[in-house]
This record gives sequence, C-alpha cells and structure tokens, in this order.
Amino acid sequence: EVQLLESGGGLIQPGGSLRLSCAASGFIFSSHGMSWVRQAPGKGLEWVSTGGVSGGTYYADSVKGRFTISRDNSKNTVDLEMKSLRVEDTALYFCARRGLTDSGAQAYYFDQWGQGTLVTVSP
Amino acid sequence: QTVVTQEPSFSVSPGGTVTLTCGLSSGSVSSNYKPSWYQQTPGQAPRTLIYSTSVRSSGVPDRFSGSILGNKAALTITGAQADDESDYYCALYMGSGISMFGGGTKVTVL
Repeated sequence: EVQLLESGGGLIQPGGSLRLSCAASGFIFSSHGMSWVRQAPGKGLEWVSTGGVSGGTYYADSVKGRFTISRDNSKNTVDLEMKSLRVEDTALYFCARRGLTDSGAQAYYFDQWGQGTLVTVSP
Repeated sequence: QTVVTQEPSFSVSPGGTVTLTCGLSSGSVSSNYKPSWYQQTPGQAPRTLIYSTSVRSSGVPDRFSGSILGNKAALTITGAQADDESDYYCALYMGSGISMFGGGTKVTVL
C-alpha cells in the first residue's frame, strides 16, 4: 500500500524557516517525481514544487528563491526547506506522488496524496 | 500571468449530468497540457479522478469522464450521486516542470 506521511509543520513567525518532510513507502520511490501541493485555509490547491527523478527541481513563482525541495532516494523521503516565510504561506502542505504512464515514463499528474501537514505563519 | 479557470460552483440533481470545464485565461487547453482532475471533500486529501485528459484513475467509477470540449478540458459526471458533492480541481502541465491548478468548482447535488 502506498503511503505518504508528512511531518514538520507548525507555527512560525514571518521571516522564519521551517523544514517539511515526507516519508514514502509501498512503491519504488526513485521511479517517481515527488511534489508538494499546498492549500490555504478555505482556498484551492496550489502546486508548490516538484523534485524529478533525474534530480531536476521546479518551483512555483510564489516560492522560487525561498523554498528548496530535496529528495533522498536511500531514505525514501522528500523534504521542503522553507525560508523567509510569509503570512501568505500559511497552508496545509500535501506531499503528492507524480504518476507514471502505462510504459513507465514520467506523467504529469499527481496519483497519490498524503494527508498534509499544517504550516501557520503568524506574528 | 496565465490563470487556469474553473466555474466557481455548479448544482446538479441526483441522477443528472454536469460538465465542469478547465480553461486558460489566455489560450486554449489541449491534450498537450495533460489535464488532470481531482475530487476533494472537506477535511480530506484530494483524490485523483482523471489524468492525461480522459484516463480514469484506478477505482474511479465510469460515471466520471474527461474530454476536451472546444478550447477547454472538461469533466463530466453522468448520473450524479449524493456522494459526488465535493470540490473538483483541474490541473494543467505548463511545461518545464511547472503545474498549475484551477481555482476549483464546488458541486452541489440536490
């Protein structure tokens, strides 16, 4: 069974830093891109970042230069280092797995989701 | 700044059919954008319904179908049931590793 378990959320002051982690199990971690998607309270989903299987990293403009995604294929984890946090970064952060095509190639959708970890940025 | 657009809300009668759309503030959506659709109920993680425009994810009932209608991606629910009442989000792949979600559509079944 695929499991994605996020941790690391909490209350942080504006300008602070926080590191989120997602522990994956039940699948071949190194074969999948891994992403972070967030949802502000009462709002919609927002893609934040993806760590690709070949090491590429991709970011939404809203977090570029402040957030860093990293993955450890030996530990089956993907982390999101968040710096210079703003009130508008307050959200539930989901870890999401990128899907594969029938032939095993990278596909551009999210096929498995964690339950999320809450980040609150407040003075 | 390109925005992915969705209807804010839709109401459908039990047993009825509803089509949600996913567009771009500038330009047309094609299968090249790899449209995908997600269902989310309050307090829950999203559930993947459709990917690559029209492929149903494992375990998704066939009353959910995806397509391209005109210049938008579309999700059609045929024979709506009470537990289809949820928020629905589309996502598009914009290239260069970038994905974008629409603002979501709240579907009410009544």
